[in-house]
Amino acid sequence: NAGVMQNPRHLVRRRGQEARLRCSPMKGHSHVYWYRQLPEEGLKFMVYLQKENIIDESGMPKERFSAEFPKEGPSILRIQQVVRGDSAAYFCASSPLAGSDNEQFFGPGTRLTVL
Amino acid sequence: AQSVTQLGSHVSVSEGALVLLRCNYSSSVPPYLFWYVQYPNQGLQLLLKYTSAATLVKGINGFEAEFKKSETSFHLTKPSAHMSDAAEYFCAVTDTSGTYKYIFGTGTRLKVLA
Repeated sequence: NAGVMQNPRHLVRRRGQEARLRCSPMKGHSHVYWYRQLPEEGLKFMVYLQKENIIDESGMPKERFSAEFPKEGPSILRIQQVVRGDSAAYFCASSPLAGSDNEQFFGPGTRLTVL
Repeated sequence: AQSVTQLGSHVSVSEGALVLLRCNYSSSVPPYLFWYVQYPNQGLQLLLKYTSAATLVKGINGFEAEFKKSETSFHLTKPSAHMSDAAEYFCAVTDTSGTYKYIFGTGTRLKVLA
């Protein structure tokens, strides 16, 4: 059973460009979480999605950021008009069930560098 | 609201020495707690989790953690450090507002000295 897949692993963008980060959850997992890790900091929650639904986006910046998890295909985190402050590692995690004791399985992350 | 505090952003131990990484939590309800390890340029790997079954939790790679409700702590320990333990360690608590997202501590970078 393949783990959580994220691509690309590294992404370089110039200021003002768009960044698209993809996450394929583990087979059978319908819950996806996105977290951001700024340099020298811990991980911060961004958004929680189930298939075709955004459940909690309280950690997402109000502008330029959006996320989706379509019925078919990977979850996408999209950042429009990137700025240098968006440079970070973005991690996706998936879980088969929603519950406090359910482990989240993390992908290897996408490291975004904005020039 | 839940929160997690990890004391000591950097910890150094000698190879063979005891590893102790501290984690304190704040939660109004019984928490579910996790320790993850992150090796350089990699994702997070679960070390162990506390889900109220037993206060002493054993994990992978010889790590264990003890849940102490009176101290609101969930410290991670390993009796004898190996060079391969050098990594960043994160303590996390599950949010209980209904979305079960993780609330992470700021992490502790463990350095193992030869």
